[in-house]
Amino acid sequence: DVVLTQTPVAQPVTLGDQASISCRSSQSLVHSNGNTYLEWYLQKPGQSPQLLIYKVSNRFSGVPDRFIGSGSGSDFTLKISRVEPEDLGVYYCFQATHDPYTFGAGTKLELK
Amino acid sequence: EVQLVESGGSLVQPGGSLKLSCVASGFTFSNYWMDWVRQTPGKSLEWIGEINTDGSKTNYAPSIKDRFTISRDNAKSTLYLQMSNVKSDDTAIYYCTRIEEGFDYWGQGVMVTVSS
Repeated sequence: DVVLTQTPVAQPVTLGDQASISCRSSQSLVHSNGNTYLEWYLQKPGQSPQLLIYKVSNRFSGVPDRFIGSGSGSDFTLKISRVEPEDLGVYYCFQATHDPYTFGAGTKLELK
Repeated sequence: EVQLVESGGSLVQPGGSLKLSCVASGFTFSNYWMDWVRQTPGKSLEWIGEINTDGSKTNYAPSIKDRFTISRDNAKSTLYLQMSNVKSDDTAIYYCTRIEEGFDYWGQGVMVTVSS
């Protein structure tokens, strides 16, 4: 199975700062069709996860442009510029290139 | 408004069975692949499996293969997860999700506890 390693485990931030989360895969996430199925989700406290980014860098409808996904192959990053209170929670990367599909262990974005 | 509402969660004994349901509304259910994802207490998320639009194709994670079955009734806009021979490791919150580009909508989740 593909292992997604997220770092850091926790990211203390000050509101208004930039935050960066890394997701590294145990193998390339480039599908045979040329797409890279790497997604990012945010789970706010007490809520279901919500989709932020799909296919590495595409923002889901309604997601603010301060969320930027990037990367290629097996190395991916989610950057959040100007962190706001509603951005706090646990971020997960997810790959749907290789079966079985897998999630990273999560990165908790929290206030300093 | 897209809504996914799960039901059927409960306490079940090891080796027992349980069937979860997810009623969809606000979109044409039969046009979308659907998945189940679970979250164990205090831990990460785990993809369980998926079903195509007409229910003719399913795909499962190895951890639940041969024990869980995903099905759907498009006339009722309902997704199902039949759980059999459950183990303590199956204790989790179970979410149904819609797939388009990613899991774009999630239900509120339903708790399943496996314990004697």
